[in-house]
Amino acid sequence: DTGVSQDPRHKITKRGQNVTFRCDPISEHNRLYWYRQTLGQGPEFLTYFQNEAQLEKSRLLSDRFSAERPKGSFSTLEIQRTEQGDSAMYLCASSPGLAGGGGTDTQYFGPGTRLTVL
Amino acid sequence: AQSVTQLGSHVSVSEGALVLLRCNYSSSVPPYLFWYVQYPNQGLQLLLKYTTGATLVKGINGFEAEFKKSETSFHLTKPSAHMSDAAEYFCAVIPNAGKSTFGDGTTLTVKP
Repeated sequence: DTGVSQDPRHKITKRGQNVTFRCDPISEHNRLYWYRQTLGQGPEFLTYFQNEAQLEKSRLLSDRFSAERPKGSFSTLEIQRTEQGDSAMYLCASSPGLAGGGGTDTQYFGPGTRLTVL
Repeated sequence: AQSVTQLGSHVSVSEGALVLLRCNYSSSVPPYLFWYVQYPNQGLQLLLKYTTGATLVKGINGFEAEFKKSETSFHLTKPSAHMSDAAEYFCAVIPNAGKSTFGDGTTLTVKP
């Protein structure tokens, strides 16, 4: 299967600990997105990358959150000093990033990492 | 600025009945509209999308949606519900790049 993969699928941590999630996009997809989804809500945009460049960050992405995509392939999302309010599903998506593609640049989602902060 | 409103957080239909999930949007630029489906503990799967051209869009699993600019709507329909359609459905405004906006979702229940 060559879809978007995320690791781990589940993470339980104690408040104050740091956690890191990994996302492997579909091969040769230029764009990579991170979202957070809480129960009963739709995905909320966090940030996105065009190759290795982080082009946009949501205000939801506090100073405790950092994302990287060092070689333009996989990406990591780190949360420092986790809080109970960080408990959520973290979704990654990738898209081809078609030049001038308009709305045809479709995002494909991974299965998500469910974070529980105790 | 853009926003998405999904009317009805829960919709219940009988197997074989019409499915109608409502989505209204606001967008300061021509919208690119998407419907995704999410099964429990899984990521989102694309059902269909509208970018330009024909306003009636057909997707997977027998779903279709019609873009109505005058009503700022993009409702999702399926003529005959199947048990396997039970899931959560999300409408989204997704630009070519950058911040996407999703609705809060509609949970579809299909009764036998």
